[in-house]
Amino acid sequence: QSVLTQPPSVSGAPGQRVTISCTGSSTNIGAGYDVHWYKNLPGTAPQLVIYDNINRPSGVPDRVSGSKSGTSASLAISGLQAEDEADYHCQSYDRSLSGVVFGGGTKLTVL
Amino acid sequence: EVQLLESGGGLVEPGGSLRVSCAASGFTFSNYAMSWVRQAPGKGLDWLSSLSDSGGTTYSADSVKGRFTISSDNSKGTLYLQMSSLRAEDTAVYYCVRHSTSWFYFDHWGQGTLVTVSS
Repeated sequence: QSVLTQPPSVSGAPGQRVTISCTGSSTNIGAGYDVHWYKNLPGTAPQLVIYDNINRPSGVPDRVSGSKSGTSASLAISGLQAEDEADYHCQSYDRSLSGVVFGGGTKLTVL
Repeated sequence: EVQLLESGGGLVEPGGSLRVSCAASGFTFSNYAMSWVRQAPGKGLDWLSSLSDSGGTTYSADSVKGRFTISSDNSKGTLYLQMSSLRAEDTAVYYCVRHSTSWFYFDHWGQGTLVTVSS
């Protein structure tokens, strides 16, 4: 299974706010390594939506935000729109594995 | 515009070998570290191997050490992943990714190439 833990799915109605959690351990997120988030639609290239815990690349709407605390991080999307429906993956670095680690991905459904 | 275009995927028998390639454009290839990441059907993303911007240092996940080799041809702006002793569990979409300047995340991804290991 994945080193970082995410819920398999979340859902929300248009206009609502949803959060996706990403839980790690003392060797990755808890060790101070930053968390990054990617949006993935089937058949398309994954897209970076949050880097270094809280930063948005250009072109990502400010409805998307990130946070980190202790051994966990969260991605929040407010004002849900149909275009937000996708899989979201968190990513960090693990010092005991000496490599990049991902969460298992969360499918966001806009009801 | 940064573009990463993978090729070389396909059907291979268990125990076989395959090389996938990634043609990079829109940036100075030799200035960036690059990696391969895969996604098996119904699974999450899985980092495989990284190559430093100088091309002199490689890092690999334990799951592929000794079987997969990452390399590049800077003159062609192309990244490679040579895979051997392939297993059914290696069936996945293989993505070529560019590291950010900080190294710790991936700022551009290719569309991926599907590798299917089956008899």
